[in-house]
Amino acid sequence: TQLLEQSPQFLSIQEGENLTVYCNSSSVFSSLQWYRQEPGEGPVLLVTVVTGGEVKKLKRLTFQFGDARKDSSLHITAAQPGDTGLYLCAGVTTDSWGKLQFGAGTQVVVTP
Amino acid sequence: DTGVSQDPRHKITKRGQNVTFRCDPISEHNRLYWYRQTLGQGPEFLTYFQNEAQLEKSRLLSDRFSAERPKGSFSTLEIQRTEQGDSAMYLCASSPTSGSSSEQYFGPGTRLTVT
Repeated sequence: TQLLEQSPQFLSIQEGENLTVYCNSSSVFSSLQWYRQEPGEGPVLLVTVVTGGEVKKLKRLTFQFGDARKDSSLHITAAQPGDTGLYLCAGVTTDSWGKLQFGAGTQVVVTP
Repeated sequence: DTGVSQDPRHKITKRGQNVTFRCDPISEHNRLYWYRQTLGQGPEFLTYFQNEAQLEKSRLLSDRFSAERPKGSFSTLEIQRTEQGDSAMYLCASSPTSGSSSEQYFGPGTRLTVT
C-alpha cells in the first residue's frame, strides 16, 4: 500500500486543455516533491514544496501544498505534447532520513 | 554532464545468477539512495547511505541484496541468486546534506530482467 494516493491514474487530453493531478495522504510531510518520468528513464525533479499552503509556479505548471501538509496538487495550463509523461508525487515524513515515499503516479498523455 | 549516472542501463540475466549495479552520484552529494520501481508503480525505497555509512534498509531488501558505498563516492547494489520477482528498474538518487536535503536527483536507472 502506497502512503500517497494519486488521482487520476491516467489522463488523456488534447493540446491546449488544462489538467489537475492530485496527491493525497493521511500523513504529514515535511516536504513534498513532484517528478516527471519518461519511459525507461529516471524521474526528473520538477519542484519541492515545504510550507503548508505554499504555491509554486514553473512556467505553465502550478504546484500547491495543502495547509496541513498532507496533500498536494499539480495544475498544468494549456497542456502541450511535451508535457506527456508519468507525474509522480513523493513526500518526506518528519521521522525519516529524507527517504521519499512515492505515489503510484499519474500517466498524462497530451495529443496534438 | 554532472548528473547521477548508473551502469549498466539494461541487464538480462538467468534466474539464479548474481548481478551487480553501479551508481555514481553527483560529486558533492553526501547522501545516496537506492529505489526499485516495478511497472505501474512509483519507486520504492530500498536503502540509504550518508557518506560511506548505510543508515537505513527497507524490509524489501532481503538477505540476497547487499549495497555498499566503500569510499563515500560511488555505490554498488548486488543481487545474489536472482529470482524472476527481482525484475524491475533499479534507481539511484543522490542529495546534498545541506540545504533542502530532501531534494533527490535520480539517475537513468538500470532495467533488470530475470528470465
